[in-house]
Amino acid sequence: GAVVSQHPSRVICKSGTSVKIECRSLDFQATTMFWYRQFPKKSLMLMATSNEGSKATYEQGVEKDKFLINHASLTLSTLTVTSAHPEDSSFYICSAFGASGTSTDTQYFGPGTRLTVL
Amino acid sequence: GNSVTQMEGPVTLSEEAFLTINCTYTATGYPSLFWYVQYPGEGLQLLLKATKADDKGSNKGFEATYRKETTSFHLEKGSVQVSDSAVYFCALSEAAGNKLTFGGGTRVLVKP
Repeated sequence: GAVVSQHPSRVICKSGTSVKIECRSLDFQATTMFWYRQFPKKSLMLMATSNEGSKATYEQGVEKDKFLINHASLTLSTLTVTSAHPEDSSFYICSAFGASGTSTDTQYFGPGTRLTVL
Repeated sequence: GNSVTQMEGPVTLSEEAFLTINCTYTATGYPSLFWYVQYPGEGLQLLLKATKADDKGSNKGFEATYRKETTSFHLEKGSVQVSDSAVYFCALSEAAGNKLTFGGGTRVLVKP
């Protein structure tokens, strides 16, 4: 149980285009989802916290207009990288906290999405 | 603020060797502590956790004990396998539902 999926797993796009990444909790309802960014051989950097039905809370230094987060349901959160540029190339990972049926102090991570902006 | 410090890698070992990855933390309260593992090309997987002092988390031969007096949560495995080659992250969370604070990660390479 407690599976989190991400789609797509890899995406290559041209500079200036927008890319949407989906994060789904497959077998539980996620009251809170997190979006992380991971640079090569580095740790995870929290970008934002997303609660279902409310606006995301962004970490300091993260541009909310560039990284749009929507948590429209208890099983889906999306991250849209708008007007992507090569420096946005990275590995984006989501995680989710469950409600009932899962351990409430454990984040379950998606497999990540590799974004390459040409 | 909260912080997690773990030993830098890479750590290179031979199969069946003993593995220790040190992790210390700074937190204002009584956090839950976690070890996550990331295999090449994959996302993070929870390896083990401990939610209060003196708790021992264990999974797949790995163990870590929550030491409040030394603010540590060192990861150990008695006999590593090639399949244990991965990046290991120590992390803490102040409360259920809260964000995780990660250490920098330690890359482990186990050679046959």
